[in-house]
Amino acid sequence: SQTIHQWPATLVQPVGSPLSLECTVEGTSNPNLYWYRQAAGRGLQLLFYSVGIGQISSEVPQNLSASRPQDRQFILSSKKLLLSDSGFYLCAWSFRDDEQFFGPGTRLTVL
Amino acid sequence: LAKTTQPISMDSYEGQEVNITCSHNNIATNDYITWYQQFPSQGPRFIIQGYKTKVTNEVASLFIPADRKSSTLSLPRVSLSDTAVYYCLVGGPTGRRALTFGSGTRLQVQP
Repeated sequence: SQTIHQWPATLVQPVGSPLSLECTVEGTSNPNLYWYRQAAGRGLQLLFYSVGIGQISSEVPQNLSASRPQDRQFILSSKKLLLSDSGFYLCAWSFRDDEQFFGPGTRLTVL
Repeated sequence: LAKTTQPISMDSYEGQEVNITCSHNNIATNDYITWYQQFPSQGPRFIIQGYKTKVTNEVASLFIPADRKSSTLSLPRVSLSDTAVYYCLVGGPTGRRALTFGSGTRLQVQP
C-alpha cells in the first residue's frame, strides 16, 4: 500500500531563517506530487505541483521554492522565511488525475 | 482554473440529511467534480467524485445536473463526527491544470 511521510511535524523558526520541509511517498512510482499551504481557518492554497523528477509548476508567486530530486521525494524550501509563511503545510500525491492523498502535514510558525 | 463557490458554513443536527451545493459555472468539458473532507490539523480526505448525473458510495451521494454548473454533496444521517470542512473541486488532467481547493464549507453537527 502507499504511504506518504512528512517531516518535521511542527517547526518554529525565526524570521529570515531558511526552511526545508521534506515529503516522501512509498509504494508507488511516478506519482504527481503537490505542496499546499493552509493558513489558520482558511482553505488550502496550492503552492507547487510536480508531474515528474525535476518538473515543478508554481501556482503563486511567493517566497518559497520546491524541488523533486527523486521520483518520490518532494522538498519545499525557503532561503529567508517571512512571518506570512506561517501555516500548515501539506504534501499530497496522486496517480495522474485521480484522488489526492495527503500527508500528516507540518505546522510552521515563524516568529 | 475552474472556480468553485460554496457556502462558508452550515449547521445541522445528528440524524439529519445534509446537502452542500457547489457552483462551478466555468467547468470544462473534461473536468470532473471531487469532494474532500478535512478535520482540524489533518490533510483532506477524498469523499466522492463524479462527472455527471448521480454517484453514490458508502459515505455520500453526489448529484450533478445536466449542465454540470453545480453539484450537491449529500450526507445521509450525519453524526457529530461529520463535523468538518468540505471542499468541492473541479479539475482536469494535471498536465494542464492541477486540482485546487477553495475555502470549503464548514459543517457543524449539533447533538
